[in-house]
Amino acid sequence: GAVVSQHPSRVICKSGTSVKIECRSLDFQATTMFWYRQFPKKSLMLMATSNEGSKATYEQGVEKDKFLINHASLTLSTLTVTSAHPEDSSFYICSARDHREPLHFGNGTRLTVT
Amino acid sequence: GENVEQHPSTLSVQEGDSAVIKCTYSDSASNYFPWYKQELGKRPQLIIDIRSNVGEKKDQRIAVTLNKTAKHFSLHITETQPEDSAVYFCAASQGGSNYKLTFGKGTLLTVNP
Repeated sequence: GAVVSQHPSRVICKSGTSVKIECRSLDFQATTMFWYRQFPKKSLMLMATSNEGSKATYEQGVEKDKFLINHASLTLSTLTVTSAHPEDSSFYICSARDHREPLHFGNGTRLTVT
Repeated sequence: GENVEQHPSTLSVQEGDSAVIKCTYSDSASNYFPWYKQELGKRPQLIIDIRSNVGEKKDQRIAVTLNKTAKHFSLHITETQPEDSAVYFCAASQGGSNYKLTFGKGTLLTVNP
């Protein structure tokens, strides 16, 4: 149990375009979902926390207008990278939990902006 | 906010030896400490976790110890195998509804056959 599915696993886009990444909890209702960003050989940096039906809480330094997060249901959260730039290229990972721990991670999305 | 320090950043051991990774945290309110293993290009996988009401937890070759007073916790892997090679992350959280994991910077463990 406790499977988190993330899609797509890889995406290449051109500068200036937008990319949407989906995160789904397949067998549990995720009251909270988290979006992380990971640079090569670096740790996971929390970008934002989203609770179903409410606005996401962004970490300091993360532009909310650039990284749009929507948590429309208890099983789906989306991250949209708007006006993508090459420096947005990274590994984005979502995670989800219900009322219990631990946190379960999606399989990640490798974003490359050309 | 919480700050988690992890050492060493890289660790190389011979197959069969033990490996120890140490983490410290700053927020005394943290009460949940998971460890994740991440293979290259893959998602972090939870391998063991411990809560602040417990000092030690073991699962086969993996154990975690927690010293609340000193605010540090450690991962111990015994009888290491090549498939244990990966990046290991410690994390700390206050748990509950204010759940937010703060990760250490990771340890690249290499187990040499």
